[in-house]
Amino acid sequence: DGGITQSPKYLFRKEGQNVTLSCEQNLNHDAMYWYRQDPGQGLRLIYYSQIVNDFQKGDIAEGYSVSREKKESFPLTVTSAQKNPTAFYLCASSIRFRGNQPQHFGDGTRLSIL
Amino acid sequence: DAKTTQPTSMDCAEGRAANLPCNHSTISGNEYVYWYRQIHSQGPQYIIHGLKNNETNEMASLIITEDRKSSTLILPHATLRDTAVYYCIVRAQITNNAGNMLTFGGGTRLMVKP
Repeated sequence: DGGITQSPKYLFRKEGQNVTLSCEQNLNHDAMYWYRQDPGQGLRLIYYSQIVNDFQKGDIAEGYSVSREKKESFPLTVTSAQKNPTAFYLCASSIRFRGNQPQHFGDGTRLSIL
Repeated sequence: DAKTTQPTSMDCAEGRAANLPCNHSTISGNEYVYWYRQIHSQGPQYIIHGLKNNETNEMASLIITEDRKSSTLILPHATLRDTAVYYCIVRAQITNNAGNMLTFGGGTRLMVKP
């Protein structure tokens, strides 16, 4: 079945440690996105990529980094510079960046600080 | 993007139709209505979207009023697995390279009861 796979489902980070969240899609979508969701709140855009080898900062990119070396993969690194990383991280993709096509989401990674 | 207003919560009996309303009185002509739902601890799931015509897919129907100021999502035969928070989002078609963020409001918490 086509879809978006995020791993791991749960992740714990020690102080000063960088961690990488995986996002893979087999939908052949050009655009991919990373969001952060805090308890009782909506989504905030971290980074997005319109096409392979391209990415732009969203509203809250500080303390995060991404890469888009393959169409199907868009990993997110939460660096030690991100002082409040505890959140639910969601990866999404859409057929194209432009237009009205919907974004489809993975099941998320819940990151906590040890 | 236009603001949306949804009831905070609704109940529905299992097997009956669930009708979830959404007001978007400031919607612009180029803005689409999207519906997503989120089950606890999972990623948002796309349900349906439309511009002005009514839409139907395997999950639900979307009824948009003629003046486009409100819409209703219909789940024709609700099951216990439809218990979730349902989000109505209004967003314009993306035509430039600006951030393609989805903005989720409070949503409607639908409880399907046996």
